[in-house]
Amino acid sequence: AQTVTQSQPEMSVQEAETVTLSCTYDTSENNYYLFWYKQPPSRQMILVIRQEAYKQQNATENRFSVNFQKAAKSFSLKISDSQLGDTAMYFCAFIPNNDMRFGAGTRLTVKP
Amino acid sequence: ETGVTQTPRHLVMGMTNKKSLKCEQHLGHNAMYWYKQSAKKPLELMFVYSLEERVENNSVPSRFSPECPNSSHLFLHLHTLQPEDSALYLCASSQDYGLGELFFGEGSRLTVL
Repeated sequence: AQTVTQSQPEMSVQEAETVTLSCTYDTSENNYYLFWYKQPPSRQMILVIRQEAYKQQNATENRFSVNFQKAAKSFSLKISDSQLGDTAMYFCAFIPNNDMRFGAGTRLTVKP
Repeated sequence: ETGVTQTPRHLVMGMTNKKSLKCEQHLGHNAMYWYKQSAKKPLELMFVYSLEERVENNSVPSRFSPECPNSSHLFLHLHTLQPEDSALYLCASSQDYGLGELFFGEGSRLTVL
C-alpha cells in the first residue's frame, strides 16, 4: 500500500524556535516525489518544499528544510525561526505512481 | 490571487437537492483533480482528468459525477448526497498528470443536511 503517516496530530512551538514535523511513507517504488504542503486557516493549500527521491541532497527553502532518509522512508520537515504566520496544517505527500498521496496532517501552532 | 478558483466557497444542501461545484484553473495545466478533505483524515483522491479525459475513479459513489468540458474547467455534480458527504472539496491542477506539484483552490465547504 502506498501510504503516508504523520504521527503528530498537533504540535506547538514558540516564536523564533525550531520545530520538526515527522513523516513516514510506504512504497515499493524506487523513484518518486515528496512534498510538504501548508494549509493556513484560509484553507488554500500551498507547496512548502519538494524533494525528488533520486536526489541525496536534502531540499532547503529559506527557513524550511527536510531530512530525507530514503532507506528509512522518512521525510521530516524542519522549520527554523518559527513565525506566527507558520501556524497552519502541514501535510506530507508523495507521488509513487502518478497519484499524489497525503498524510492526515499535523496542526502546528506558533505561540508568541 | 490564486491560479485555481473554486465556487461556491460554501454550500448547504438537502439530501434530495442537485448542485454543482465549479473549478477553473488559469495556469495552462493539463491535469485537474478533485479531492475530498475530511477532518483528521488524509485527503482522498476522487477524480483525475488529464487532457480532458478521466484517468482515475477511485470507487467514488455515483452520486458524485465529474465533468471536464475543457482543460481549464472541472465540475463536480452532486445529487442525492448523504450527511457523511459533508466535507471540504478541493480542486487542484498540475502541469501534467503524475508529475510535479499540485496547485490547489481554496475549496468548497459542503454541508449536507
